[in-house]
Amino acid sequence: EAGVTQFPSHSVIEKGQTVTLRCDPISGHDNLYWYRRVMGKEIKFLLHFVKESKQDESGMPNNRFLAERTGGTYSTLKVQPAELEDSGVYFCASSQEGPNTGELFFGEGSRLTVL
Amino acid sequence: RKEVEQDPGPFNVPEGATVAFNCTYSNSASQSFFWYRQDCRKEPKLLMSVYSSGNEDGRFTAQLNRASQYISLLIRDSKLSDSATYLCVATSGSARQLTFGSGTQLTVLP
Repeated sequence: EAGVTQFPSHSVIEKGQTVTLRCDPISGHDNLYWYRRVMGKEIKFLLHFVKESKQDESGMPNNRFLAERTGGTYSTLKVQPAELEDSGVYFCASSQEGPNTGELFFGEGSRLTVL
Repeated sequence: RKEVEQDPGPFNVPEGATVAFNCTYSNSASQSFFWYRQDCRKEPKLLMSVYSSGNEDGRFTAQLNRASQYISLLIRDSKLSDSATYLCVATSGSARQLTFGSGTQLTVLP
């Protein structure tokens, strides 16, 4: 069975450009999460989808970040315009149950470098 | 103050050693706790859940002390393959998010 897949694995862009990250969760997982790790810091929550609905987006840093999950399958995270401090690794995860009761399966991450 | 605090290490131990990691959390409303393992440049993977009664999985033992808001992980008879970063994780008070510690780096030496 395929795990969580993320694309691209690495993206290098200039400040002010736009980047869109994609996540394909494990088939059948209603819960989809975005987390990120910026250099030297811990992994931090961004948001949580249940199917196509945003359950919790309290971790989104500002309105330059837009996440979507149309149809409740794959998700995209767009950063527009990108700033230097957005550099880091963006992890997507999925689960059958919520985080309190179930295991989250993470993708290998999309490494974003903003120059 | 970070919500989940860990000693970042690094811990360098010989094969066969026993090593213990500690973690404290600040949100008393946190309900569930986990240890995740992350290999270099890979994704975090669940190692084990942590219960107040303590739980064991082979060479790994995890313990939770809710009164002290303290979590531990003990690795016995460490193997080279145990080398990784170990992440202490707690659910948020709302139980909708995972809160990660910064991780403790372990290197097991031959």
